[in-house]
Amino acid sequence: SQELEQSPQSLIVQEGKNLTINCTSSKTLYGLYWYKQKYGEGLIFLMMLQKGGEEKSHEKITAKLDEKKQQSSLHITASQPSHAGIYLCGAVSGGSNYKLTFGKGTLLTVNP
Amino acid sequence: DSGVTQTPKHLITATGQRVTLRCSPRSGDLSVYWYQQSLDQGLQFLIQYYNGEERAKGNILERFSAQQFPDLHSELNLSSLELGDSALYFCASSVGALAGGTDTQYFGPGTRLTVL
Repeated sequence: SQELEQSPQSLIVQEGKNLTINCTSSKTLYGLYWYKQKYGEGLIFLMMLQKGGEEKSHEKITAKLDEKKQQSSLHITASQPSHAGIYLCGAVSGGSNYKLTFGKGTLLTVNP
Repeated sequence: DSGVTQTPKHLITATGQRVTLRCSPRSGDLSVYWYQQSLDQGLQFLIQYYNGEERAKGNILERFSAQQFPDLHSELNLSSLELGDSALYFCASSVGALAGGTDTQYFGPGTRLTVL
């Protein structure tokens, strides 16, 4: 089965700093999703990447899917306290049984 | 607000009991997915329904069952509850039948289940 490893597990940054979160898959990614979760709350959809080399941006968050489609990175520019939360990557398993598998998440703390 | 609603928000019950969690998908979405989130296991896919039929199954225990009704809302039934079933249970919905590729799942706020 597909496994997703996120790094780092947690990250503390000073407001205004840039940061990157990585998501590495054990198998080829057919679709890669990034979600953000506030502790104890629901997941908020950020972006979906499908094609190798694809890059998408939303406000100060940019996500990329590498050419070989086994790794994705999420980059936040000029972080703000509102960026704090848990970032989860999710990926589609191929074959006839499509379902989302999630990484364990990266806890981001942004200190003002 | 994702448009997906879940009730109740919190549920406290005892071991051996049975509970029902309810989910209403976004308007127009035909697929409903159930997930369990715990500190040690992370977010685990349980089951998916599309337009009333079971479409995909994940790590769902035999003590758990789900269904999707004609009005597309879904219920997750958890029986013979154990302490280890304490977790956040999320429902998500999407337009189509597939979890990925061309579709996006939108998550509800979750139901926090505590088994004492």
